[in-house]
Amino acid sequence: KAGVTQTPRYLIKTRGQQVTLSCSPISGHRSVSWYQQTPGQGLQFLFEYFSETQRNKGNFPGRFSGRQFSNSRSEMNVSTLELGDSALYLCASSEDSPYNEQFFGPGTRLTVL
Amino acid sequence: DQQVKQNSPSLSVQEGRISILNCDYTNSMFDYFLWYKKYPAEGPTFLISISSIKDKNEDGRFTVFLNKSAKHLSLHIVPSQPGDSAVYFCAASAVSYSGAGSYQLTFGKGTKLSVIP
Repeated sequence: KAGVTQTPRYLIKTRGQQVTLSCSPISGHRSVSWYQQTPGQGLQFLFEYFSETQRNKGNFPGRFSGRQFSNSRSEMNVSTLELGDSALYLCASSEDSPYNEQFFGPGTRLTVL
Repeated sequence: DQQVKQNSPSLSVQEGRISILNCDYTNSMFDYFLWYKKYPAEGPTFLISISSIKDKNEDGRFTVFLNKSAKHLSLHIVPSQPGDSAVYFCAASAVSYSGAGSYQLTFGKGTKLSVIP
């Protein structure tokens, strides 16, 4: 099976712009979670989707949003980018719940200038 | 408020010796714990997990110990190998909880393990 893929791998944007990141989970996996990783902060939970429904959202401002399509692919969007949004954004998929083993993609490195 | 804490940002161990990585948590609702390993430029990979009904779980060279009363878990790697050099993340979840915060893993900030040949 192919692993979790994320596109693009690297992205440079300027403040005020918006960005959309994409995640394709492992075939058959219906749960997709997104995390933000910044230096010294570990992985911070953004949101989790299952069968096109957001089941939980982390403590991030409304500028961060996401969605999941019927084929389980997921996108996250960040509007009005701020310098502090520079981070590695990781997507993880699992069969039905993040409590089961999650498989992570390589991440998208976003730099906001 | 950090609910999962890994107080050692880094750890160096000689090859062949034991590596012990520690993790503390504050939320008493957490009942399932996982360890992930991350190499540079890659996403984290799952290592081992433990449910709160157990106090130990082994998988090859990796053993996780859970002390519920102390809200503390540790990952033991024996023997340590140079390929184990990576950042290790502890994560926790409240599986039996169905309110806000469900379907979510809470991660620590990670411990960078260096195994010296």
